[in-house]
Amino acid sequence: EVQLVESGGGLVQPGRSMKLSCAASGFTFSNYGMAWVRQAPTKGLEWVATISYDGSSTYYRDSVKGRFTISRDNAKSTLYLQMNSLRSEDTATYYCTRVGYSGYWGQGVMVTVSS
Amino acid sequence: DIVMTQGVLPNPVPSGESASITCRSSKSLVYKDGKTYLNWFLQRPGQSPQLLTYWMSTRASGVSDRFSGSGSGTYFTLKISRVRAEDAGVYYCQQVREYPWTFGGGTKLELK
Repeated sequence: EVQLVESGGGLVQPGRSMKLSCAASGFTFSNYGMAWVRQAPTKGLEWVATISYDGSSTYYRDSVKGRFTISRDNAKSTLYLQMNSLRSEDTATYYCTRVGYSGYWGQGVMVTVSS
Repeated sequence: DIVMTQGVLPNPVPSGESASITCRSSKSLVYKDGKTYLNWFLQRPGQSPQLLTYWMSTRASGVSDRFSGSGSGTYFTLKISRVRAEDAGVYYCQQVREYPWTFGGGTKLELK
């Protein structure tokens, strides 16, 4: 069974950093691109970043470029999102998802940026 | 960026009736391979999004044939036949034709 389990969220002050993790199981992680999608409270879905299967290519939305870094450790079957210089508008539930047409998403992890 | 604009449903929808959700893109989603890179998702309250269709009209694994996607390069429709209680939630279209991937604002389906 495919599972994606996010962790690392919580409350953080503006300007600080936080690192999210997504532990994958049930499939060959190194064969798939992965992505982060977020959802602010009561708002819609917003794509954040994508990384290729081998980590050689990354893509970001403009509002997080230079602040967020998506990465992966294929040996550990884990996806990461390093978030620096956090802003209140980054407050959201962050989902990791497998790229492609299988439709696998994690349960999401909440990040709250507030003083 | 490609802007995705979704329509509004005349809620609530009577159970057993059909519902059609529309989505429009600001640019054609047809890629050079001939495929249309448009996904539909359903997000039930308190749950993660569920992929319904991809390539505009291909149903994802395990998705009921009551869901059908159609459209052109810039105008898309998700039809839900014989609406049931478990279909309630917010529907999103998403383009993956080019980066940045973008979602529509969502269309809420409520059942009567």
